[in-house]
Amino acid sequence: EVVMTQSPATLSLSAGDRATLSCRASQSIRHKVAWYQQKPGQAPRLLIYGASTRATGIPVRFSGSGFGIEFTLTISSLQSEDFAVYYCQQYNNWPPHTFGQGTKLEIK
Amino acid sequence: QLQLQESGPGLVKPSETLSLTCSVSGGSVSSSSYYWDWIRQSPGKGLEWIGTIYYSGSTYYNPSLKSRVTISADTSENQFSLKLTSVTAADTAVYYCARQDYLDPSGFLDWGQGTQVTVSS
Repeated sequence: EVVMTQSPATLSLSAGDRATLSCRASQSIRHKVAWYQQKPGQAPRLLIYGASTRATGIPVRFSGSGFGIEFTLTISSLQSEDFAVYYCQQYNNWPPHTFGQGTKLEIK
Repeated sequence: QLQLQESGPGLVKPSETLSLTCSVSGGSVSSSSYYWDWIRQSPGKGLEWIGTIYYSGSTYYNPSLKSRVTISADTSENQFSLKLTSVTAADTAVYYCARQDYLDPSGFLDWGQGTQVTVSS
């Protein structure tokens, strides 16, 4: 099973700041990583797939990068609606699909 | 626009079977283009993929749950279902149904709103 490890667990920033979230896989997953945003009481929403492709309707301030083991989600200028929990997920080696434990992006 | 909606009991007794259904609208469980998945989320274990079914009837399960899980589809009702046997308190979670693309895998594209299931006597 591929273990996905996210860091940091919590990130405290202000609106307008740049956010950088990290995700590391326990083995190479090529570019097969997706990022999700989850707000309280809601299902996760797909942001990025294929490490760097934005899903339909996702603002350009969200970008992803990485290949192999190390991946990054960047939010270029935080808006109030971006404060949420973010998860990475690998879909290269499955079953099972596996998720990271999440990074909580909170208002400083 | 594809929509998914989970339904089923919110309370299940220990050792019994958890049964949930996902109703699909705006798409077909008979489509060869998609996998149909179950995912759960609990405070202790985060997001956990349970398993998936393809239109052909092929299923794939998380090895950690495989002995207790069955996913099936009802094409006449355009639904797919989850059965989890011998539940314990550790199975208490929000259960989501979701869709992933078969031809061009790209994560879980659509999710239901989720349904809380509590295991308690």
